[in-house]
Amino acid sequence: GAVVSQHPSWVICKSGTSVKIECRSLDFQATTMFWYRQFPKQSLMLMATSNEGSKATYEQGVEKDKFLINHASLTLSTLTVTSAHPEDSSFYICSALTGIGTYEQYFGPGTRLTVT
Amino acid sequence: QQPVQSPQAVILREGEDAVINCSSSKALYSVHWYRQKHGEAPVFLMILLKGGEQKGHDKISASFNEKKQQSSLYLTASQLSYSGTYFCGTDLTGTASKLTFGTGTRLQVTL
Repeated sequence: GAVVSQHPSWVICKSGTSVKIECRSLDFQATTMFWYRQFPKQSLMLMATSNEGSKATYEQGVEKDKFLINHASLTLSTLTVTSAHPEDSSFYICSALTGIGTYEQYFGPGTRLTVT
Repeated sequence: QQPVQSPQAVILREGEDAVINCSSSKALYSVHWYRQKHGEAPVFLMILLKGGEQKGHDKISASFNEKKQQSSLYLTASQLSYSGTYFCGTDLTGTASKLTFGTGTRLQVTL
């Protein structure tokens, strides 16, 4: 149980375009999902916390208008990278908590974004 | 502030033991350990809650010293499948809902 999927697994886009990444909890309802960014050989950096039905909470230094997060249902959160630039190229990973008061974060397989 | 892990990298022969440390400058409520293989998502290993507990399954165990704000992951009789990058995720808020991940330790197990 506790499977999280992401789509697409990789995407190449041109500079200036927008890209949407989906994160789904397949066999549970996720009231809270997290979005991370990971540059090569670096750690996971939390970008934002997404709660179903409310606005996402962004970490310091993360541009809200550039990284749009929508958590419209208990099984789906989306991250849209708007006006992408080459420096946005990274591995984006989502994770989800299985319920209130739980501790384990289950991670999706990640999305490799390359902006040319 | 990001927890510091040591060592940064280690190479082991199959069957050898390793210890990975995670040290925080802030008080910790819990520590979560993950292993990530190249190009894949992190996989949960275990959680240690406040109380100085130790945990383990199979040949991987961990300890948490809340007074020292440190946690250690112990890998015994390492297997090739243990290769990957290990991250500690620290809970600084007490809600366990937001983790700050450590700098990572790259572990390679060879024949």
